[in-house]
Amino acid sequence: ETGVTQSPTHLIKTRGQQVTLRCSSQSGHNTVSWYQQALGQGPQFIFQYYREEENGRGNFPPRFSGLQFPNYSSELNVNALELDDSALYLCASSLKEQGNSPLHFGNGTRLTVT
Amino acid sequence: QQQVKQSPQSLIVQKGGISIINCAYENTAFDYFPWYQQFPGKGPALLIAIRPDVSEKKEGRFTISFNKSAKQFSLHIMDSQPGDSATYFCAASRGGSQGNLIFGKGTKLSVKP
Repeated sequence: ETGVTQSPTHLIKTRGQQVTLRCSSQSGHNTVSWYQQALGQGPQFIFQYYREEENGRGNFPPRFSGLQFPNYSSELNVNALELDDSALYLCASSLKEQGNSPLHFGNGTRLTVT
Repeated sequence: QQQVKQSPQSLIVQKGGISIINCAYENTAFDYFPWYQQFPGKGPALLIAIRPDVSEKKEGRFTISFNKSAKQFSLHIMDSQPGDSATYFCAASRGGSQGNLIFGKGTKLSVKP
């Protein structure tokens, strides 16, 4: 069973640039959620994708967008990067149809915006 | 508005002792309360979770106590070990384990040998 994998592990971008982060869900999982974890804080929900459609969104501006592909992998795109976007971005997968299926997190992408 | 409040922010326990971390929530619609463990450089990993129809759940050395009327739940780590040193997060969601998790701010646990 392959766990959740994210790439890249680290990334440095300049304010105003755009970034794409990638996530491969755990084998057998069809739902992907993205979270932002600022330093010293708990993760904050960005959005969730199920069957290639956005299935819930947290309090994040539209410059945070995502995609889910037919193989259930996912991308998180952030436009017009701001310094406050510096954080650990976590992807989590689960199986929607299994009621007790918990979220399985990847190890995240550490994004630094300078 | 912080919907899940976690305390303490940090905790130091001697090896073999009991570690206790507390959380309080506001939204009575929450129906799933997990605890996650996170090591530096890693993503959070599910430790144990509880639903509001149960007052206690135990898995090995880890126990969740749940008080629905007080809107509080806690994690007890019995016989704490140095390998338990990590950051612990409580969380809550509506819609069960598939819901969007709202996390506390975390507790950094250090277990001294």
